[in-house]
Amino acid sequence: AQSVTQPDIHITVSEGASLELRCNYSYGATPYLFWYVQSPGQGLQLLLKYFSGDTLVQGIKGFEAEFKRSQSSFNLRKPSVHWSDAAEYFCAVGANSGGYQKVTFGTGTKLQVIP
Amino acid sequence: DTAVSQTPKYLVTQMGNDKSIKCEQNLGHDTMYWYKQDSKKFLKIMFSYNNKELIINETVPNRFSPKSPDKAHLNLHINSLELGDSAVYFCASSQGGQGSGYTFGSGTRLTVV
Repeated sequence: AQSVTQPDIHITVSEGASLELRCNYSYGATPYLFWYVQSPGQGLQLLLKYFSGDTLVQGIKGFEAEFKRSQSSFNLRKPSVHWSDAAEYFCAVGANSGGYQKVTFGTGTKLQVIP
Repeated sequence: DTAVSQTPKYLVTQMGNDKSIKCEQNLGHDTMYWYKQDSKKFLKIMFSYNNKELIINETVPNRFSPKSPDKAHLNLHINSLELGDSAVYFCASSQGGQGSGYTFGSGTRLTVV
């Protein structure tokens, strides 16, 4: 079965600073990988996804993520954080379950942005 | 137009009651899901339907019963509510195929007192 680990429960960065959120996955085959963002009181919004091709994936809101097979990682990055980026971020791995997609989420990283 | 809409947004009820949460998507997606998010923000899949057919049924108490009258709707009925059922329930949809990503509703916060 697939699993996802987000080692950082809470991260604080200054506005304008760069950001990297860590994600490690476990899956026997090539995984589908996702990053979602959840603002308070809202549902999750897809930031970006990866399955194959270029290992550096561009997403919405200026985010990017890099797939590193050798490290089983899919870290999320942003060069300059804005106050509106404060939210909970979830990494997820999708796997084949009886011909359909089953997505397992990590436990989330809460991002706090200070002025 | 809201892509995935859930009703109600908030639900407060007493232990032992039966309640339903409704979900509708207007994206034309084939697959719909119910996820439960606990107080620590952990998201766990409960059920998934593809074109009205149940395809994922995780270890969930049989007090929870999903129903999909058509591929645009997926409802969740909960019998004999317990304190531990308090959580945020999210509906989501995706367009079949692997790796398509989900579109989530804004959630239903269920509080059992």
